[in-house]
Amino acid sequence: DAGVTQSPTHLIKTRGQQVTLRCSPKSGHDTVSWYQQALGQGPQFIFQYYEEEERQRGNFPDRFSGHQFPNYSSELNVNALLLGDSALYLCASSFFLGEGNQPQHFGDGTRLSIL
Amino acid sequence: AQTVTQSQPEMSVQEAETVTLSCTYDTSESDYYLFWYKQPPSRQMILVIRQEAYKQQNATENRFSVNFQKAAKSFSLKISDSQLGDAAMYFCAYRSFYTGANSKLTFGKGITLSVRP
Repeated sequence: DAGVTQSPTHLIKTRGQQVTLRCSPKSGHDTVSWYQQALGQGPQFIFQYYEEEERQRGNFPDRFSGHQFPNYSSELNVNALLLGDSALYLCASSFFLGEGNQPQHFGDGTRLSIL
Repeated sequence: AQTVTQSQPEMSVQEAETVTLSCTYDTSESDYYLFWYKQPPSRQMILVIRQEAYKQQNATENRFSVNFQKAAKSFSLKISDSQLGDAAMYFCAYRSFYTGANSKLTFGKGITLSVRP
């Protein structure tokens, strides 16, 4: 049973560039959430996708956008990268109609470094 | 908006001893879910334990248990018989009951736990 997989594991970009991060949810899950975790901090919610639509969004600028594909995998895109975008980006998956206490299952994250 | 506070940035425990990690939260909701996640250096967030606010009984999972004080909005994690593999960063997280099963998680800043052999 494959868990949540994210790619790439590590990425280095320069200011002003654009980046795309990818996530495949755990088998049987249909919802993907993205979080940004700055060094030494807790994860911050970016947005969530279900049925190929953005369902919830955190306090992040429009430079952060996403997409969900029919196979439930998802992409996170960040445009016009800033130094402050350097962080670990975590993807979490879940089943939309699951019990309220179900945990979200996390991937290993993509470490994004901006030079 | 809900907030989660973990005021202890670091804790240390002797192997085989017991340690308690503190967490407080602020919310105006009466029903919600609370979680403790562990993040080892491998980076993957692993669920340790969960608690439903409408349940008075404190959750337990093997060596892990919580002390849930709803009126005080406190949710501490107790780790008994600490093992070297327990060394990690621990995050307390809140999820709203009312906005659905897939509500976002709101995390605290985390506590770094070290285990001394």
